[in-house]
Amino acid sequence: GEDVEQSLFLSVREGDSSVINCTYTDSSSTYLYWYKQEPGAGLQLLTYIFSNMDMKQDQRLTVLLNKKDKHLSLRIADTQTGDSAIYFCAENHGGYNKLIFGAGTRLAVHP
Amino acid sequence: SAVISQKPSRDICQRGTSLTIQCQVDSQVTMMFWYRQQPGQSLTLIATANQGSEATYESGFVIDKFPISRPNLTFSTLTVSNMSPEDSSIYLCSVEIVNEQFFGPGTRLTVL
Repeated sequence: GEDVEQSLFLSVREGDSSVINCTYTDSSSTYLYWYKQEPGAGLQLLTYIFSNMDMKQDQRLTVLLNKKDKHLSLRIADTQTGDSAIYFCAENHGGYNKLIFGAGTRLAVHP
Repeated sequence: SAVISQKPSRDICQRGTSLTIQCQVDSQVTMMFWYRQQPGQSLTLIATANQGSEATYESGFVIDKFPISRPNLTFSTLTVSNMSPEDSSIYLCSVEIVNEQFFGPGTRLTVL
């Protein structure tokens, strides 16, 4: 089946690290994605990871993939108020172009 | 990457009417997608639109309700037909370029 799950809410202090978690069920997914959606805005592709990788780092962002457990995480270092948004993980179902999205994690950054 | 624009950005419509949403990309792409994001929800794929062929609809979505056009490699339209308040959502188009899917800014539709 197609299912992507995320925790709905995360609150962190400015300057701390944020870790957003995601689990998925489709073992045939070839890519897993992280998108950011700010209020009233569209989706911004933050990063993605190929399924044969276990880590990808891009500036403040680190993606970890545990393919055995079908667990994906996004770590944001030195979280800033501008990082406040909803973060969606997504998988490409069956290795094709169709993306299955999680419900989104609302990240709130407070001083 | 790709620059994607959508028109209109938002609209308020009466039930029973139809609205056509346009999606324009700044480069030629084979596949374009239409998603729906209902209030406070995640995104759900409506259909995949390839140029020169009929759109492929996901379970729960039908062509009579959401007709799609794909006249060329940079443009697509989605029509929301015979609207009801349950169609109030954000509608987003997206394109895939080398394993990355990019999204337009969305069209926020409110049906009264």
